[in-house]
Amino acid sequence: TQLLEQSPQFLSIQEGENLTVYCNSSSVFSSLQWYRQEPGEGPVLLVTVVTGGEVKKLKRLTFQFGDARKDSSLHITAAQPGDTGLYLCAGPQNSGNTPLVFGKGTRLSVIA
Amino acid sequence: NAGVMQNPRHLVRRRGQEARLRCSPMKGHSHVYWYRQLPEEGLKFMVYLQKENIIDESGMPKERFSAEFPKEGPSILRIQQVVRGDSAAYFCASSPGGARNSPLHFGNGTRLTVT
Repeated sequence: TQLLEQSPQFLSIQEGENLTVYCNSSSVFSSLQWYRQEPGEGPVLLVTVVTGGEVKKLKRLTFQFGDARKDSSLHITAAQPGDTGLYLCAGPQNSGNTPLVFGKGTRLSVIA
Repeated sequence: NAGVMQNPRHLVRRRGQEARLRCSPMKGHSHVYWYRQLPEEGLKFMVYLQKENIIDESGMPKERFSAEFPKEGPSILRIQQVVRGDSAAYFCASSPGGARNSPLHFGNGTRLTVT
């Protein structure tokens, strides 16, 4: 089973600061997805990255897929309290029918 | 445009009882996935189903757990003779196809507490 390691596990920052969270694996993934989960709710898809080196922007969020497709990062500019949540990366297994495997997530808290 | 619907949202069972968790996928979605989440943990895959078929159950414990997705009606995750270790949030997701890059649409989960 391919594993996804996310870091840091917890992050608490002040409103307006920038931050980067990471998703790493020793295996190559054909794509990676990022989800955000708020307390009491299910994860919601933010973005899918497919091509090595790809950069995607979603307002203040910038997602990057590593050239070797083994890692990804999420950078948030000028964080706001509404960014608070659990950020999960996920990717498909390279073989078999098993769907997405998830990392353990980074729990972000943005303090006003 | 209803999303994935799970019920109940909260379920309390005593040790030894049965728990039945229901999931109605998004309209037009024929692929259903069940995941379990413990506090401070990510999502652990349990089972992947299509209508009337189990595609992959490699993440589901061999004993006490079963899942189905009948031709009509919601998908059911059934846990027999629950134990305290079964306490967790159980999330259902659906997708229109089984493509490996398909994004998953999640419900808001059922939080099972075993007392």
